[in-house]
Formats: sequence, C-alpha cells, structure tokens
Amino acid sequence: GESVGLHLPTLSVQEGDNSIINCAYSNSASDYFIWYKQESGKGPQFIIDIRSNMDKRQGQRVTVLLNKTVKHLSLQIAATQPGDSAVYFCAEIFNNAGNMLTFGGGTRLMVKP
Amino acid sequence: NAGVMQNPRHLVRRRGQEARLRCSPMKGHSHVYWYRQLPEEGLKFMVYLQKENIIDESGMPKERFSAEFPKEGPSILRIQQVVRGDSAAYFCASSPAGRSKGLQYFGAGTRLSVL
Repeated sequence: GESVGLHLPTLSVQEGDNSIINCAYSNSASDYFIWYKQESGKGPQFIIDIRSNMDKRQGQRVTVLLNKTVKHLSLQIAATQPGDSAVYFCAEIFNNAGNMLTFGGGTRLMVKP
Repeated sequence: NAGVMQNPRHLVRRRGQEARLRCSPMKGHSHVYWYRQLPEEGLKFMVYLQKENIIDESGMPKERFSAEFPKEGPSILRIQQVVRGDSAAYFCASSPAGRSKGLQYFGAGTRLSVL
C-alpha cells in the first residue's frame, strides 16, 4: 500500500545474513513488478523484475517471489552487505494503466557490520 | 551509454517564481516519465510522454504544472508560481519502446526547495 507520510518501516540485519523485504501490492490486474533500491540522495536503481506469469525469479544474490493469490511480493537478498543499506521499493504496473509505475511505501534496510 | 540525466540537481525558488526541470532520457529510449517524491514516501506518478506527445498526465496537477518532450532536446517539467508545497524531489525515468517498455530507468532527481 501507499505510505501516508509516516516513518518508513525498517529492517535491521547483520552483515552476512539473508534479508527478506515484503510488499503487498494493490491491484490483482497488475502484470509486471519491479524492485528498486534507493540510496540517500539518489534516484531509484533497478534491482530485479518479474512478470505475473512467473512466481519466482533469481538474479545475482537477489530473488523475487510473487504470490498472486495473496497479492504479495518479496525480495530476498543473500549474504547482505553494508552496501545493501538503502530504501527498497516495490512497484507495479496495472494491465490497463498504461506505463505508469505505482510504488509501494518502501522499507529501509540497515545492515550492521 | 549514459544514464538518464537530470538537471539541475538542486533548485531553490521563492514562492511565485517558476521552476524548470530538465531530463534527457537514456540513448535509444523514447518514453519519458516524471514522478514526485516527498520525504519518507514512495514516488508518485505525474506524467508520461513520448516525443511531442503527452500520453498520460493523470498524476499531474491541473494548474501550474506542465510537461513537454520536444522533437529535439530534453523533456521539461515546468512549475509556474511555485508554492511551498511543491518542495519535493522530482525524478525522471525513461524506457524503450516495445515489450520492455515497463522497465523504467531513473535519473538522480532534482530537489526543489521553495522558500
């Protein structure tokens, strides 16, 4: 869902541990999902994407899982590193909404050395 | 291959002035999007443009805001008679035409401060 201006939820993990960041998306008609990473003062950076005809996709150290039944998306980061510290956003594109991305509220990941 | 270029990175305006934000898409990309981000929030869609055409402006306020993507040159987001509530980070994204058009690459943003 969308943030209403409250502080971002924060996930704090130890360096080397695995991280799981969750996102509940809003529209069952969405057919494309993207995870972005945003570091302080920078623009969102593409991490990984997944189409609605898939339920899992793997990249380098990252895996995205899609559960359409409960409209849930997760990002798994293996062996989390200090450089992974950032705010992570999921974004969706609705079938009939052209190309605009609808962003979730974001999760701040803090990696402790 | 340069990424999406936005300028200026920081822009300070007094209430009532005009703000012009520029965006050059990635080479080969023909679709441009503008988003606004308030602190601690996700990005909110404003407008989607292709060369010389506004495709979707459903997220853009009806007054004071306008956007263009001319045949030559960067895309421009223009805010007239700025007010304090316009203070935000404005991000531009671009994507190629065709099947990959959903994947959008973002610039570093322009941070607008209205005094």
